[in-house]
Order: sequence, then C-alpha cells, then structure tokens
Amino acid sequence: GNSVTQMEGPVTLSEEAFLTINCTYTATGYPSLFWYVQYPGEGLQLLLKATKADDKGSNKGFEATYRKETTSFHLEKGSVQVSDSAVYFCALSVDSWGKLQFGAGTQVVVTP
Amino acid sequence: DTAVSQTPKYLVTQMGNDKSIKCEQNLGHDTMYWYKQDSKKFLKIMFSYNNKELIINETVPNRFSPKSPDKAHLNLHINSLELGDSAVYFCASSRPGLAGANEQFFGPGTRLTVL
Repeated sequence: GNSVTQMEGPVTLSEEAFLTINCTYTATGYPSLFWYVQYPGEGLQLLLKATKADDKGSNKGFEATYRKETTSFHLEKGSVQVSDSAVYFCALSVDSWGKLQFGAGTQVVVTP
Repeated sequence: DTAVSQTPKYLVTQMGNDKSIKCEQNLGHDTMYWYKQDSKKFLKIMFSYNNKELIINETVPNRFSPKSPDKAHLNLHINSLELGDSAVYFCASSRPGLAGANEQFFGPGTRLTVL
C-alpha cells in the first residue's frame, strides 16, 4: 500500500536557522507529492507540490525536490522565522480523485 | 470571502447523541472530502464526493454518514457518538486532475468533543 514517513517532532530552532524535514514515501504508480502546513488553530494549506521525478516545488522560501531514486521529498528552508512555527505534513496522491495519504506531521517551533 | 467553511467550529456533546457537521465551498470545485485529525495530529481521509457521488469511502464505522445535497455542500452526520470520535474534522475541496495533483483547500475544522 501507499505510505508516507516523516521525521518526528517537535523540531525546535532559533530564528534564521536552517530547517530540514525529512519525508520518504512508498507508493504504487507515480505519485504526486505535497507539503501542507497547519498553523495553530487553522486548517491545512498547500505549501508546495511536485508531480514528477526531479521536479522542485518552492514557495515562501521553502523548497522540496521529488527524488524518485531515494523515494524522498525533503522540505528545506534556509532561514526560518518565528512565523514558520506550525505543523508540516508530507503527503502523496496516486489517484485521479486526489485521495491524500499524509505523514504523521512534524511540529516546528521557531524561537526568537 | 471564505473558500471552505464549516459549522460548527466547536461541538461538545454526550456519548450516544447524534450530531451533524456542515461544510460549504464557494470555489466551484467538483470534489469534496472529509478528514479526521486525531489528538496526535494524524490525518486520515474518511470520505470523498464528486458531483454529489460518493467516490472514496475508507474504513469508517457506518455510524458516519456523509451527504452531499449539491456539489458545493458536503455534510457529515454521526450517530451514536462514542468517546473515540473526539477529533478535529476537516472538510476540503478540489478540482481533481492527473494523479490527483491539484491542490486541496481545507476548511478551518470542527473540533468535536464527546463526553
């Protein structure tokens, strides 16, 4: 079956530090890959996505590259801000209806 | 303008009761979803409708019954509530494309607490 594994949190960082959240997947077929972010008390928002191997998704300073050879989609940001404190979810979809399979989520806490 | 809205935002009720959560989207999307987020933040899809037709039905107790009166609305009715139903329920919508690559837009969530 399909699954997503991401690093456990919480991840605590100082402002301006480098952030990496690891995500690996198992899927039949050719999945689309996503990072969603959930700010406290809110619903999820799409952060970035990639639909085929070697695609790089980017948004708000965050980047992730679809690596088929390592079945990974790691999220990175070069300099985090306090406002980046949130829960980050890696997810995949393999069917045309967009059924999302989520990882467990990684809480990121950025301190001033 | 709110894109995906849910009511109520909070719902506190006793075990055994029946309750409903409503969801509406004004994005013109064809497909809507219900997700359950547990206390550890784990998210799992429950149902999906496309143009009022059920297309995804995960292993969910049949106490849960979704209803889509039109493609802009997807409601969730829960019978005989149990303690384990306590969670945050999210509605989402999208316009599916190839390999489900399109963005899903999420509502703000409904926090259900069963006492």
